[in-house]
Amino acid sequence: KAGVTQTPRYLIKTRGQQVTLSCSPISGHRSVSWYQQTPGQGLQFLFEYFSETQRNKGNFPGRFSGRQFSNSRSEMNVSTLELGDSALYLCASSLGGQGRQETQYFGPGTRLLVL
Amino acid sequence: SQELEQSPQSLIVQEGKNLTINCTSSKTLYGLYWYKQKYGEGLIFLMMLQKGGEEKSHEKITAKLDEKKQQSSLHITASQPSHAGIYLCGADPGGGADGLTFGKGTHLIIQP
Repeated sequence: KAGVTQTPRYLIKTRGQQVTLSCSPISGHRSVSWYQQTPGQGLQFLFEYFSETQRNKGNFPGRFSGRQFSNSRSEMNVSTLELGDSALYLCASSLGGQGRQETQYFGPGTRLLVL
Repeated sequence: SQELEQSPQSLIVQEGKNLTINCTSSKTLYGLYWYKQKYGEGLIFLMMLQKGGEEKSHEKITAKLDEKKQQSSLHITASQPSHAGIYLCGADPGGGADGLTFGKGTHLIIQP
């Protein structure tokens, strides 16, 4: 099975612009979670989507949004970019069952640099 | 909210030596995950521990969960250059469909 894929791998944007990142989960996985990783804050949970619905959300401003399509692919969007949004954005997929303790499998990440 | 503290923050080990990384939670652990990350890349799943006292091994890596101490340890035997990277522990906060909470990571360098 192919792993989680993310596009693009690298992005350079300027302040005030917006950006859209894409994530394709492992085939059969219905849950997609997004994380932001920075040197200072480490890995932080952004949100999770399951069956095209946001199931949970971390503590990030409304500039960060996402969506999920019927094929489970997900996109996240960041509007009005700030310098502090420079980070590695990781998505992870899991089967998405209601039970807890499902392993999340991560993609290679998208490195975003905001100038 | 749950916090995970990893120790040490960084570790330099001579090739062939054993090492241990610890992960301590501020709250009850419902599930503990270990991942490895090469610098600037995605996370590679290593192991998941669910029950107190559980121990799992894969190749030369062994992880244990001490539920009472709210702590997990990752032990590498006879370290190799391929073990170098950042080791992250992640925990399931429980109580709903929350994302994983992660520690800040342990940077492991293997000296030949």
